[in-house]
Amino acid sequence: KAGVTQTPRYLIKTRGQQVTLSCSPISGHRSVSWYQQTPGQGLQFLFEYFSETQRNKGNFPGRFSGRQFSNSRSEMNVSTLELGDSALYLCASSLVGGVGQPQHFGDGTRLSIL
Amino acid sequence: AQTVTQSQPEMSVQEAETVTLSCTYDTSESDYYLFWYKQPPSRQMILVIRQEAYKQQNATENRFSVNFQKAAKSFSLKISDSQLGDAAMYFCAYRMGDLRGGSEKLVFGKGTKLTVNP
Repeated sequence: KAGVTQTPRYLIKTRGQQVTLSCSPISGHRSVSWYQQTPGQGLQFLFEYFSETQRNKGNFPGRFSGRQFSNSRSEMNVSTLELGDSALYLCASSLVGGVGQPQHFGDGTRLSIL
Repeated sequence: AQTVTQSQPEMSVQEAETVTLSCTYDTSESDYYLFWYKQPPSRQMILVIRQEAYKQQNATENRFSVNFQKAAKSFSLKISDSQLGDAAMYFCAYRMGDLRGGSEKLVFGKGTKLTVNP
């Protein structure tokens, strides 16, 4: 069974631009969660989607948004990029909803803002 | 505010030896989940072990076991018979909030970097 797939692996953008990251969960998994990992702040929860609906949300500004499609694939969008958005963005999927469930992570997308 | 503290930024262990990683958390909830995740240099996070707070029995997964002290809000990870492949960053995490209320999220500690010496 294929694991969680995140694309692209690396991305370089400039301030003010917007970016879209993609995550394909393990087949049959209906929940997708997103996390931001930085050296300073560590791992922080962004949001969780289940059955195309945002179920839970962390403490991030509205520039961070996401969506989930009917096939459970998810995208995360960050608008008006800032230098502080440079991070590793991790996506995780689980069979059922809720971050208390065992989650399977992807390899992440490394986003660098110039 | 709910927090997770890992007081050991780095630890090292000899191959085949046992090591214990510490984690404490702060919460006012009575029912919650605790996790240990491992992130090797390849950067993919892997679930090591999960503990449900209402279960008094400590969770175990092969060479990995936890010492869950609910009253002390302590959740340490013991790795027995350490192997070179255990070298990684280990993150303790706490699930807080209410799924039905849409406030559920995972809170992570800062991590402990484990080195395994041959």
